[in-house]
Parts: sequence; structure tokens; C-alpha cells
Amino acid sequence: KQEVTQIPAALSVPEGENLVLNCSFTDSAIYNLQWFRQDPGKGLTSLLLIQSSQREQTSGRLNASLDKSSGRSTLYIAASQPGDSATYLCAMYTGGFKTIFGAGTRLFVKA
Amino acid sequence: GAVVSQHPSWVICKSGTSVKIECRSLDFQATTMFWYRQFPKQSLMLMATSNEGSKATYEQGVEKDKFLINHASLTLSTLTVTSAHPEDSSFYICSASKTSPSYEQYFGPGTRLTVT
Repeated sequence: KQEVTQIPAALSVPEGENLVLNCSFTDSAIYNLQWFRQDPGKGLTSLLLIQSSQREQTSGRLNASLDKSSGRSTLYIAASQPGDSATYLCAMYTGGFKTIFGAGTRLFVKA
Repeated sequence: GAVVSQHPSWVICKSGTSVKIECRSLDFQATTMFWYRQFPKQSLMLMATSNEGSKATYEQGVEKDKFLINHASLTLSTLTVTSAHPEDSSFYICSASKTSPSYEQYFGPGTRLTVT
């Protein structure tokens, strides 16, 4: 069964701290992996997309890595801000138009 | 580019009625659209995949006669919840995929359905 697991389920950090969100997946035949942000009651905002041939992607204070051999991806957020508070979801796409989401990590950045 | 809209953003309906939700790709052609539902504090669960001009492919456990999907054009897909019941209350999100190699999905803002 294809699964995506995110750890931790929730995280609270003080403003300015660097943090890492973890995502593990069971299928090494991953096509791409995507990180999203979701604010309460809202839709998804795509943050970073990593193709299977890539090791990492960067956008501003965000850096996402992908290690297919170990079935892991990490999202690194530098210098966290209260505005970063949201739920972060990772999703893997294995081809055949199947995307599987993790349960998410709820992040709270304290001012 | 790559904007996906949904309408309505929220809807309240009475039990037994049907509700239609629209998903539109505003600035690109989407050969494939996806419908997800999300319960509070849970992740997204894929309901079905629809390709323009063909029947939708439903995930296991999703009643195709209850959740009718029509992908009439390259920019529009609709989800109709028929004979809605309170347990159908949920957050429904659509996404659309271009034909580019990345198969990146672009998500709509979601529709909150409340069935009373």
C-alpha cells in the first residue's frame, strides 16, 4: 500500500527559528513530490515541486530535498515567521495520475 | 499562470437535495482534473480523476452514482453531490493538471459543503 507519512504532526516554534518538516513515502517509483501549504479553511498553495531526477528545490526561505532511496523528503524553513503558521502537506505522485497526500504537519510560529 | 477556480466557495443545502460544484482552469487547458475531499484536520483523499471527454475514474469506496463528475471541456469539470446527506458535509477541492512533463497539479481554493 502506498503511504505518505509526515512527522511531526504538530510543531510550535519561536519566531526566527530554523525548522525541518519530514515526509516519508513507501514507493520508490515516485514521479515527483510536492510540498503544499494550507491555511485553515482554505485550499492548497503549492510551495515546491521536486522531480524524481532532482535532489532539491529552493524558493526564498524554503528548501525541499528528495531522497528516493531512503523514501524521504524534508522541507526546511529558514528564519521562521508568524506568517508561516499553517499546515504543511507533502504529496507524492507515482504516475497513473495518482497523488497521495500525507496527513500534514501543523506549524505554529510564536511571535 | 496556472490558476484554478472553484464555485461556489461554500454552500449550505438541505438533506436530499443535489449540489453542483464547478472547477475551472482559468489560464490553461487541463486534460485531467482531480476531485478531493477533506474532513476537518485530516488530509486530502482523492475521490476521482476525470479526463476531458471520458468517464471519470473513481477511487475505491467512492460512490459514482452519488458523486457525479462531468469533465465537459478542457477548462471545466463539475462535481454533483446527489441526494446529499449530513455525512457528505466536507471540504471539496479540485485540481487540474497540464500536459507538461511535470504533471504538476494546480489546486482550486476549495468548496465547503454543509448539508443540514
